[in-house]
Amino acid sequence: EPEVTQTPSHQVTQMGQEVILRCVPISNHLYFYWYRQILGQKVEFLVSFYNNEISEKSEIFDDQFSVERPDGSNFTLKIRSTKLEDSAMYFCATRRREADEKLFFGSGTQLSVL
Amino acid sequence: AQRVTQPEKLLSVFKGAPVELKCNYSYSGSPELFWYVQYSRQRLQLLLRHISRESIKGFTADLNKGETSFHLKKPFAQEEDSAMYYCALSKVETSGSRLTFGEGTQLTVNP
Repeated sequence: EPEVTQTPSHQVTQMGQEVILRCVPISNHLYFYWYRQILGQKVEFLVSFYNNEISEKSEIFDDQFSVERPDGSNFTLKIRSTKLEDSAMYFCATRRREADEKLFFGSGTQLSVL
Repeated sequence: AQRVTQPEKLLSVFKGAPVELKCNYSYSGSPELFWYVQYSRQRLQLLLRHISRESIKGFTADLNKGETSFHLKKPFAQEEDSAMYYCALSKVETSGSRLTFGEGTQLTVNP
């Protein structure tokens, strides 16, 4: 079965630094998402992305966050100035089409902000 | 706003015993409900969804709108069912929109 690939698997950064998390979606998928899970808490929606623009975002997704798909393959999540509370597992997810409810998740990037 | 509640963080049963993972939701519109599973060191994956009314790996889940529940059941648990299970909801009105997850239930099936 095709997979969503995320890199890196672990990222350690200093508070205030910028990080970029990368996701390679499944090739014919058109809808992209970022979720995150703080240790011990539930998986939370961050943002959805379609046709090169954000279609929905949560209250968590503030001005420090941005997403793009610059080269038509990688789908990235950037955090401009990381905070301690950004430490979490970040999951990329993709789906083929809007009516297709099956989401395919990546294996996640564990972000640790020190 | 939609909300999903899984009252049990941990659930432990013996192999061959029935298992039920509880999920309750609150949403004023028409929800679509899902169960996702995460086996140890693997990624989150869809287990089943209510619109399909299917049985996957022996698991079933029925949407009860009166009780606003979507409990996951299996009559005879197997050791390989040990995993983290998440109930999730999305809105029918905006198909393809974000999922709201419950807190998850860690199921352990003992030999």
